[in-house]
Amino acid sequence: DAGVIQSPRHEVTEMGQEVTLRCKPISGHDYLFWYRQTMMRGLELLIYFNNNVPIDDSGMPEDRFSAKMPNASFSTLKIQPSEPRDSAVYFCASTTGGAGELFFGEGSRLTVL
Amino acid sequence: GQSLEQPSEVTAVEGAIVQINCTYQTSGFYGLSWYQQHDGGAPTFLSYNALDGLEETGRFSSFLSRSDSYGYLLLQELQMKDSASYFCAVGSNTGGFKTIFGAGTRLFVKA
Repeated sequence: DAGVIQSPRHEVTEMGQEVTLRCKPISGHDYLFWYRQTMMRGLELLIYFNNNVPIDDSGMPEDRFSAKMPNASFSTLKIQPSEPRDSAVYFCASTTGGAGELFFGEGSRLTVL
Repeated sequence: GQSLEQPSEVTAVEGAIVQINCTYQTSGFYGLSWYQQHDGGAPTFLSYNALDGLEETGRFSSFLSRSDSYGYLLLQELQMKDSASYFCAVGSNTGGFKTIFGAGTRLFVKA
């Protein structure tokens, strides 16, 4: 199995630009999670989906952030407009059944100048 | 809400045993997990405890006491490659199933 695939691996953009991060979960997994990692705040849960439906988006920082999962094999996290404080590593993870092991992608490192 | 506490940093020597503790507060608790993360890498799963007691996987063991809201990760026969960050994470089924991570413990293994 290819594992969780995220793109891009690295993105550098300027403040105010739109950023779209992509994730392909492991086939057959029915839960997908988006996390953000920074030195200051650690690994924060932003939003998660079950069977393509958003279940809890209480971790999304503000309206500039949005996430979609149009089908079982694809999800996006969009930031519009981006700000320097959004600079972080964004991880996507998937699992089956909700409990136990999360399988993480390699992450997308975002730098907003 | 959820909160987890674990030490920020631990240092040990190669070949030794180290224990990383984790205390938690959460509603709808259903399990405690441990993850390892090397610099620049992604978190990788180490172990999961849903019930009280000890789970052993090779050099790594994890313990859970639900009544004390406490768990630990035990690493034996430490190797240099074990230098990494270790995260405890609680599973909560309040409003669906989700996993919340602690701040992580940075482990330094010295020769």
